[in-house]
Amino acid sequence: DSGVTQTPKHLITATGQRVTLRCSPRSGDLSVYWYQQSLDQGLQFLIQYYNGEERAKGNILERFSAQQFPDLHSELNLSSLELGDSALYFCASSVASTGGNSPLHFGNGTRLTVT
Amino acid sequence: SQQGEEDPQALSIQEGENATMNCSYKTSINNLQWYRQNSGRGLVHLILIRSNEREKHSGRLRVTLDTSKKSSSLLITASRAADTASYFCATIQGAQKLVFGQGTRLTINP
Repeated sequence: DSGVTQTPKHLITATGQRVTLRCSPRSGDLSVYWYQQSLDQGLQFLIQYYNGEERAKGNILERFSAQQFPDLHSELNLSSLELGDSALYFCASSVASTGGNSPLHFGNGTRLTVT
Repeated sequence: SQQGEEDPQALSIQEGENATMNCSYKTSINNLQWYRQNSGRGLVHLILIRSNEREKHSGRLRVTLDTSKKSSSLLITASRAADTASYFCATIQGAQKLVFGQGTRLTINP
């Protein structure tokens, strides 16, 4: 058990809809990362927060947004969903502010299916 | 584009044999990490190797790093069925983005 909790585990929704994915980091970790994993694109870095502040940004679409709250949990909001957004969305957490300096602890992901 | 690229994309060996996976990257790094992912599950951290280290061991895992060739290898000795998984290397790209390669799918046959 990594200590990172992601909810929900599965989500099925229609095109055009909006969903929110939630992540609680491991106790003591200040950094939260979001990744998208699809069969054809591999594991894509979306965004990282450290102690409530955006730290690094990857290939995150404008339709997607995220935030980290004072209690350090994070939410990833996906709007105007398209079929291509169907993927596994992972949250990870770490102690360090920079992703490469300490191990990331991954949750088990939210599987999003857009129909 | 991905910073790290694993090779081979897929590897199938017999239980008890050794498995070697390689990772090449493009820009200078401070650290390189290896992760394992069982099907549909979250990634699990295996080893972090720093740029001033050439080799690191953890149980049956051995990681090497050659910064002159911008490459790393992960060796799993005496493989077991439970080692069946995908293996990824991860490095920092650009401004602090930790990016993963496409992974090597390892299958251990009984």
